[in-house]
Amino acid sequence: GAVVSQHPSRVICKSGTSVKIECRSLDFQATTMFWYRQFPKKSLMLMATSNEGSKATYEQGVEKDKFLINHASLTLSTLTVTSAHPEDSSFYICSAQRQGAYEQYFGPGTRLTVT
Amino acid sequence: DQQVKQNSPSLSVQEGRISILNCDYTNSMFDYFLWYKKYPAEGPTFLISISSIKDKNEDGRFTVFLNKSAKHLSLHIVPSQPGDSAVYFCAVSYGGATNKLIFGTGTLLAVQP
Repeated sequence: GAVVSQHPSRVICKSGTSVKIECRSLDFQATTMFWYRQFPKKSLMLMATSNEGSKATYEQGVEKDKFLINHASLTLSTLTVTSAHPEDSSFYICSAQRQGAYEQYFGPGTRLTVT
Repeated sequence: DQQVKQNSPSLSVQEGRISILNCDYTNSMFDYFLWYKKYPAEGPTFLISISSIKDKNEDGRFTVFLNKSAKHLSLHIVPSQPGDSAVYFCAVSYGGATNKLIFGTGTLLAVQP
């Protein structure tokens, strides 16, 4: 199987600060990476799709200026939550996908708590 | 508007018996279907998939069945093991440039020893 890592696994930050989450595909080149958010006892909500070297495509209702996504290489994408508020507290999960494939391989997730 | 539904939020099965997880979708344009398993506070793990040109795919204890006319997908796990206890999500894709996935709401499977 494919291995995707996320860092940090857990982060606590104060309101108004920014937090960066990294997602790395460790054993394959990911032309596309996805960022999801999961609310308690809910399904995964796709936030945005990022292709290496181009701007991310955001889903309806997701603020692009608040959730900055960068996919600078075929193995790394980052999500920066800017000016975090308590309502941004959630479980954020990334996934990586090979070119032309349907399967996505997920990272272990990052638990963000904004105080 | 939920395009992918898993109508059973939970399922309890005895160890050794068959677990059947169901998933219904609304859009006949979906052409690829996947099942993921998820433990709390972890990312989903890919289990098995099937394309729309097939009606069955088997991998060890896991078999996925696709009924296109009914827009219904199911995952069979046999024999069920306590380690299978987790939340199972079905996901669908309609391809396109990015092959996005749409996830169902999940079914919590509990396998009793």
